[in-house]
Amino acid sequence: DIVLTQSPATLSVTPGESVSLSCRASQGISTSIHWYQQKSNESPRLLIKYASQSISGIPSRFSGSGSGTDFTLSINRVESEDFSVYYCQQSYSLPLTFGSGTKLEIK
Amino acid sequence: EVQLVESGGGLVQPGRSLKLSCAASGFTFSNYYMAWVRQAPKKGLEWVATISTSGSRTYYPDSVKGRFTISRDNAKSSLYLQMNSLKSEDTATYYCARMMVPYYYFDYWGQGVMVTVSS
Repeated sequence: DIVLTQSPATLSVTPGESVSLSCRASQGISTSIHWYQQKSNESPRLLIKYASQSISGIPSRFSGSGSGTDFTLSINRVESEDFSVYYCQQSYSLPLTFGSGTKLEIK
Repeated sequence: EVQLVESGGGLVQPGRSLKLSCAASGFTFSNYYMAWVRQAPKKGLEWVATISTSGSRTYYPDSVKGRFTISRDNAKSSLYLQMNSLKSEDTATYYCARMMVPYYYFDYWGQGVMVTVSS
């Protein structure tokens, strides 16, 4: 199984700062990584597909990059509504797996 | 508007069975792969099952293979998850999700239904 390691586990930031969240795969997975946001007591929401492809309706401050084993979700100028948990998911091979998440919290 | 509404959750004893349902609307259900993803309390996300458009192909991780069965009724735009031989570690919120193939990511999610396995 492909293991996804997200870091840091928790990231404390001030609104207006820009941040980068990391997701590292245990083996090369090309660009088969997708990012989700989960706000407290809500369902996950797709943010980025295939490492860097944008999703309709998602603010442009969210962007993704990477290929192979190292991936990054970037948020340009964090807003109050962005404080939540972020998960990466790989679709390179079955079983589909998720990272353990990065919690973005207010400093 | 795409809507996925799960039902059928609740409290069940270890070793017993439970069947979850997901009612889909706002899209042509028969054109999409569908999946179940679960989340144990205060934990991360875990993929549970996927089913093809016709229902002829199903996929599971080892953690539920042989115990869980995913199925669908395209005429009713409904997805199901039959869970047998339930264990305490199956306690989680179960989400119904629409899948994009052949890309295998989840573009829409239901609100989730809680399943608690406890004596």
